[in-house]
Amino acid sequence: QQQVRQSPQSLTVWEGETAILNCSYEDSTFNYFPWYQQFPGEGPALLISISSVSDKKEDGRFTIFFNKREKKLSLHITDSQPGDSATYFCAAGGPSSFSKLVFGQGTSLSVVP
Amino acid sequence: AQTIHQWPVAEIKAVGSPLSLGCTIKGKSSPNLYWYWQATGGTLQQLFYSITVGQVESVVQLNLSASRPKDDQFILSTEKLLLSHSGFYLCAWSFWGGGAETLYFGSGTRLTVL
Repeated sequence: QQQVRQSPQSLTVWEGETAILNCSYEDSTFNYFPWYQQFPGEGPALLISISSVSDKKEDGRFTIFFNKREKKLSLHITDSQPGDSATYFCAAGGPSSFSKLVFGQGTSLSVVP
Repeated sequence: AQTIHQWPVAEIKAVGSPLSLGCTIKGKSSPNLYWYWQATGGTLQQLFYSITVGQVESVVQLNLSASRPKDDQFILSTEKLLLSHSGFYLCAWSFWGGGAETLYFGSGTRLTVL
């Protein structure tokens, strides 16, 4: 059962445009949603995260929008740069400290100069 | 600052041969440790986790085993590799704070089974 879904699978934007990456989940007990950025040949790194008590989280050019009722969230990358080209994973976690993070399939982002 | 080191960086192994991958965490006492597997272009699948020395929990069955011989060391192994074991293996530690658990990944080991 795939509990976290991401779309699109791949996305290409021009430098300076806003990239929008989507994520949805099924389990209503999930209350923590981190996004990880992974460059080829490297391990993923935490980019930005949001808890279910917020509907928006901003960090520089990266913003998460969260809709708890629809169980959807999106990552907006404004003024996209070629260095943002990477795979982005949405994940969802539960309320306990040993909850297993469930990862989506990832969105491969390419930013064209 | 915490550092996580994985070894080797890459391995090419034959089907049926044994495997041992390692991970060391420095700068963090008694960390929660994890092994993840990632197929090429795929998602991250948690394999094992450990909250203390000598204790390892299996999440999925992939004919792999894990051990935690020291507080800062996590080992992934198998006696007989399968073609399906090919992929990217990631060790991670987690930090619990602010009501959430954050994972920090190592740089991974690329395994090719021929």
